[in-house]
Amino acid sequence: GAGVSQSPRYKVAKRGQDVALRCDPISGHVSLFWYQQALGQGPEFLTYFQNEAQLDKSGLPSDRFFAERPEGSVSTLKIQRTQQEDSAVYLCASSLVAGSSYEQYFGPGTRLTVT
Amino acid sequence: SQQGEEDPQALSIQEGENATMNCSYKTSINNLQWYRQNSGRGLVHLILIRSNEREKHSGRLRVTLDTSKKSSSLLITASRAADTASYFCATDEGNRDDKIIFGKGTRLHILP
Repeated sequence: GAGVSQSPRYKVAKRGQDVALRCDPISGHVSLFWYQQALGQGPEFLTYFQNEAQLDKSGLPSDRFFAERPEGSVSTLKIQRTQQEDSAVYLCASSLVAGSSYEQYFGPGTRLTVT
Repeated sequence: SQQGEEDPQALSIQEGENATMNCSYKTSINNLQWYRQNSGRGLVHLILIRSNEREKHSGRLRVTLDTSKKSSSLLITASRAADTASYFCATDEGNRDDKIIFGKGTRLHILP
């Protein structure tokens, strides 16, 4: 079946522009996670949804970052007024049920470059 | 913040040899997971071990967990070129059951 998909795969933005990154999780998966991964580092947690509820947004680095999952399926991560330090790969993952005790399925990521 | 930390940061071995990577973490956990990431397949779940388990096997993978030392190891036996990748451990935060926190990873290179 279809895995987690993300779009766009690559995004180049000029500093100050707003960007929107999309995640299509596996159908029926309850949990959805966003991560930021810098080169040579592990994924850093950004935010977590259980269905449409955003239960944890403690990893969002600033109020320029906003995520939503209005119908409990597709999610969008929006970054306003992008800065160079926002350049990274943004990974989305979904999990069948709620909780940390289940494997997460990752999408291919969106590589964001801010110039 | 990083809960888990892998050791070594990088490892190069000959094809056919065994590779061992270690993960240390700071707080109590409910479970620990290992993931692999390469350019071809992205980030893929390998194995999950619960805090009441000491060892788990999956094919050529063997994972151990020592909660008294807050550490885990991942052993890959009879390595292959396709095992070249970065390997990450990920843990929950023990007192909560939602997100997992990844370490910085071990970069494994299998030499032909």
